[in-house]
Amino acid sequence: SAVISQKPSRDICQRGTSLTIQCQVDSQVTMMFWYRQQPGQSLTLIATANQGSEATYESGFVIDKFPISRPNLTFSTLTVSNMSPEDSSIYLCSVAPGSSYEQYFGPGTRLTVT
Amino acid sequence: AQTVTQSQPEMSVQEAETVTLSCTYDTSESNYYLFWYKQPPSRQMILVIRQEAYKQQNATENRFSVNFQKAAKSFSLKISDSQLGDTAMYFCAFMKSARNRDDKIIFGKGTRLHILP
Repeated sequence: SAVISQKPSRDICQRGTSLTIQCQVDSQVTMMFWYRQQPGQSLTLIATANQGSEATYESGFVIDKFPISRPNLTFSTLTVSNMSPEDSSIYLCSVAPGSSYEQYFGPGTRLTVT
Repeated sequence: AQTVTQSQPEMSVQEAETVTLSCTYDTSESNYYLFWYKQPPSRQMILVIRQEAYKQQNATENRFSVNFQKAAKSFSLKISDSQLGDTAMYFCAFMKSARNRDDKIIFGKGTRLHILP
């Protein structure tokens, strides 16, 4: 397994601004994933972030809106840019550590856009 | 494309009872993995149990067990002796392959489970 932390745990932001969410893992992992979970809904994958390469975005998500950095094997950031109220969600990062195939999740960041 | 269906949006059971959560999936793959994740109100997603499709034996983790029916593409979760701390949203999930580990996990819509005192 892996211990994952996210910062901030929650934030309230004004529309038009940007927020950067940090994800830190206690061990080196090749793959990190960013998900969005709207209230009461399931998880939707935003992108997969491999260290040393560009993130791979899912359909409906673009780099200009959700730029991702992956500077090393234990850290990643997701930026939500030019926010609107529709971006109000929980954003979660996850990792697939070592030889395991399951994913482990961070505690999430609850974002409210006013 | 793979899909995961959870037909029970919400369930309630009394403490100490046994409850079964249903999940069906659709895939043309022969090798894949199935998971149940739990998300309590605190929102931390926790892996409850996993099943490799090539294994016929049903996975068990303490009070949690699965009934994996590969031909029927069914993967239900049984919680025995349910406890108040089992109150959570439960997600069934599918991943098609471990060889290419950037294969994404497909989640169902979830079942909200309430354990009543």
